[in-house]
This record gives sequence, structure tokens and C-alpha cells, in this order.
Amino acid sequence: AAGVIQSPRHLIKEKRETATLKCYPIPRHDTVYWYQQGPGQDPQFLISFYEKMQSDKGSIPDRFSAQQFSDYHSELNMSSLELGDSALYFCASSLRRTRPEGKNIQYFGAGTRLSVL
Amino acid sequence: AQSVTQLDSHVSVSEGTPVLLRCNYSSSYSPSLFWYVQHPNKGLQLLLKYTSAATLVKGINGFEAEFKKSETSFHLTKPSAHMSDAAEYFCVVSSPFNQAGTALIFGKGTTLSVSS
Repeated sequence: AAGVIQSPRHLIKEKRETATLKCYPIPRHDTVYWYQQGPGQDPQFLISFYEKMQSDKGSIPDRFSAQQFSDYHSELNMSSLELGDSALYFCASSLRRTRPEGKNIQYFGAGTRLSVL
Repeated sequence: AQSVTQLDSHVSVSEGTPVLLRCNYSSSYSPSLFWYVQHPNKGLQLLLKYTSAATLVKGINGFEAEFKKSETSFHLTKPSAHMSDAAEYFCVVSSPFNQAGTALIFGKGTTLSVSS
């Protein structure tokens, strides 16, 4: 079965550069989530989109922005990168219109490992 | 507000012995609860989920968890550990309401080590 696809898998950037991470949800999934996992940390929620509209917002820095496109893929744009942005960035997707027992089950991609030098 | 507390940051077991990873939750209503596993340099894989159906939930790879409302617990167990079970395990809580885009809240994780 198709899973969540994230690209690139690895990304190396310099401080103050910009980066764009892409996420392709499971086909027919309508909701996308972004999480950030620092070294040795638990994943922290950044932002989510449902039907191309921002749905929920977590600890996303103002330097970051994201959007969901008409084909439901999502991009996370990161500007003025800092050393502390080095982390594993996960995208997850879910289907809003599920049976009750399928509530908010999020399926994760393999992640993009961002290293800021 | 919802939260989860994983009571052990590191659990070590021998191959073939039982596994117990403990998780307590805090929520003002009956939440949705999940266990995810993360192998080194890998993504997050859903092990099992509790969404207000049966309180004993069976997952993949022989894992199961029991939702105990009176104890606000959702401990993960496996009768016999395998070397391939060595990984980071996250207990996760979410709103039980089917709201699109609701964030998952992760515990701090438990590292499971399995020795031969």
C-alpha cells in the first residue's frame, strides 16, 4: 500500500539559508501534519492542514510557513535557518472521513533529516 | 489539556522475556491513545491504537496494550521480546473527537534494549 512520501530524505543547509520540505500524503487522505523531532527528543507538532486550509497550529516558528496544495501535497518552507533547526521533520497524513474507530489515525512518512551547518 | 507520561526512559530485557512499557495519560475526557515505534534512523510506525472500542488492543508484531480508565494507564506489553523489537517507543494521545488536523501529543519515549 502507498505510504506518506517525503522529500528530500536528507538536506544540508548553511545558516540563514532557506529550505523546502515536501510531503505527499497517502492517496485520498485529506489532512496533513508536520512534526519536528530534535536529537533525542519526542516529535513536536508544528502545523496541520485539512482540505488545503490550515487546521491547527503548534510550535511552528514565524520563520517557517507551510501550505497544502490542490493535489493535497504539502510543503514546509523554512527561512533564515538556524543551527537549532537541525532535526528530523516528519509529515503525517490522515483521512477525516473515517469510521469512528479510525479517528485521527496519523500515518507517518520516513522523515526529512535537516542539518544546518 | 492532554498529556502522556512514559514512566521509564529506558527498559532492558533479555530475548524471550516479557516486555512492559508503561504509559499514563492525562485528559479531561476519554482520549484516543496510540503507541508508535521508531527504529534507529527510521520513521514512526503505528503499533496499535485505542479509540474507545475494546479496552484490550492488539497491535502488530505481537504487541498489545490495555486501556485502564481507573488507572489512567495504557501500558504496552509483549509476552516474548525479540531482538528486532529494540527501538524507541512513543505513547501518544489525541483528542477522541474526529476533528481534522488535531495534533498528536507524544510522550518522551522509552528506549527498549533487547539482549541475547
